[in-house]
Amino acid sequence: AQSVTQLDSHVSVSEGTPVLLRCNYSSSYSPSLFWYVQHPNKGLQLLLKYTSAATLVKGINGFEAEFKKSETSFHLTKPSAHMSDAAEYFCVLRASGGYNKLIFGAGTRLAVHP
Amino acid sequence: EPEVTQTPSHQVTQMGQEVILRCVPISNHLYFYWYRQILGQKVEFLVSFYNNEISEKSEIFDDQFSVERPDGSNFTLKIRSTKLEDSAMYFCASSEQSNTGELFFGEGSRLTVL
Repeated sequence: AQSVTQLDSHVSVSEGTPVLLRCNYSSSYSPSLFWYVQHPNKGLQLLLKYTSAATLVKGINGFEAEFKKSETSFHLTKPSAHMSDAAEYFCVLRASGGYNKLIFGAGTRLAVHP
Repeated sequence: EPEVTQTPSHQVTQMGQEVILRCVPISNHLYFYWYRQILGQKVEFLVSFYNNEISEKSEIFDDQFSVERPDGSNFTLKIRSTKLEDSAMYFCASSEQSNTGELFFGEGSRLTVL
């Protein structure tokens, strides 16, 4: 079965320090993986996606993620947090079989304090 | 930038009432989706729709649910007789392609069933 596990429900960092949001996946197929962000009262916005090209994927707002097949991980990082990064982040796996069915992780709420 | 818009942003209804949630997908997109998130739970797939037909649906999407594209621009989700457990945030999404394209999500419609 395909699944996504986000290892932390809440992460709190200081502004200017690195961000690490952890994600593990389970898939018997070569996965397509995404990170989406949701700011309060906003829709889900795509941060970045991995679709079997480069394993290090750069996204918007300085975020990047590295696909590690041996560890079945797709952790999201940013070198320096900004107050505006405070939001909920979802690691997402595209299910095999077509039709863009997405499997979401439970989400990680990122808090950034001054 | 084109976006997916959803109405209403919040609806409160009595159990047993019919509810219609509306979505205007991005204009050149051909594939449409509904996802939902019950409070405290994961975002979960409900249904995908293409060429005026359901492409795929989850086990959640039972006979109480239906989708329609009535006029070439709107995409609606109808719940015929709401239950308490239908209370959730409902997200509409659209994409240009079926299995490789990015999903663009709306801001969600919060449904509260009393």
